[in-house]
Amino acid sequence: DAKTTQPPSMDCAEGRAANLPCNHSTISGNEYVYWYRQIHSQGPQYIIHGLKNNETNEMASLIITEDRKSSTLILPHATLRDTAVYYCIVRADTISSGSARQLTFGSGTQLTVLP
Amino acid sequence: DAGITQSPRHKVTETGTPVTLRCHQTENHRYMYWYRQDPGHGLRLIHYSYGVKDTDKGEVSDGYSVSRSKTEDFLLTLESATSSQTSVYFCAIKELASEGYEQFFGPGTRLTVL
Repeated sequence: DAKTTQPPSMDCAEGRAANLPCNHSTISGNEYVYWYRQIHSQGPQYIIHGLKNNETNEMASLIITEDRKSSTLILPHATLRDTAVYYCIVRADTISSGSARQLTFGSGTQLTVLP
Repeated sequence: DAGITQSPRHKVTETGTPVTLRCHQTENHRYMYWYRQDPGHGLRLIHYSYGVKDTDKGEVSDGYSVSRSKTEDFLLTLESATSSQTSVYFCAIKELASEGYEQFFGPGTRLTVL
């Protein structure tokens, strides 16, 4: 799996957009970008994933650069409950693979939403 | 939350005693995982299962064994607990999405080995 680099911490004002960057310059063509977060003392929570195209769901948007070497997770209107460690993970998974490959979590970005 | 529960949620035990942690899921997922999370190490895979009676080792499997006799339960056993196994343990399942997979985690078990 490709290695990812994230800033160790970021702050964001409540109600503003939180933009969390991730570099994955060694990503391969069949590798997806996944984002998870972990609120203190809870299990990691899936947020979103994508391959090439930008993705949006009810939680966040994922913007992947054209060369796929970096991505940004956007929380459009951050709330205090979004304070968590956010993990960017790159891995190869296809519908047909049937693989049981695990997710390898790095250190992530500690996002603190300030009132 | 993909119907994942873990038991117990907290346990304190003594060195040398056996400990079994249970992960239970209600949605017939094929793939199940056990991770441990420690400060400075992120999440590390202990064992995983890709079906009933089908399991394999992860990166930190020494000192742990698993069993999956039915789809809904994945058990993690510490045969003889050591202080280095003090950690938070997370169970996870993998669910097929429209593209790729989504992995969902249980609430965790905090284990302290004295």
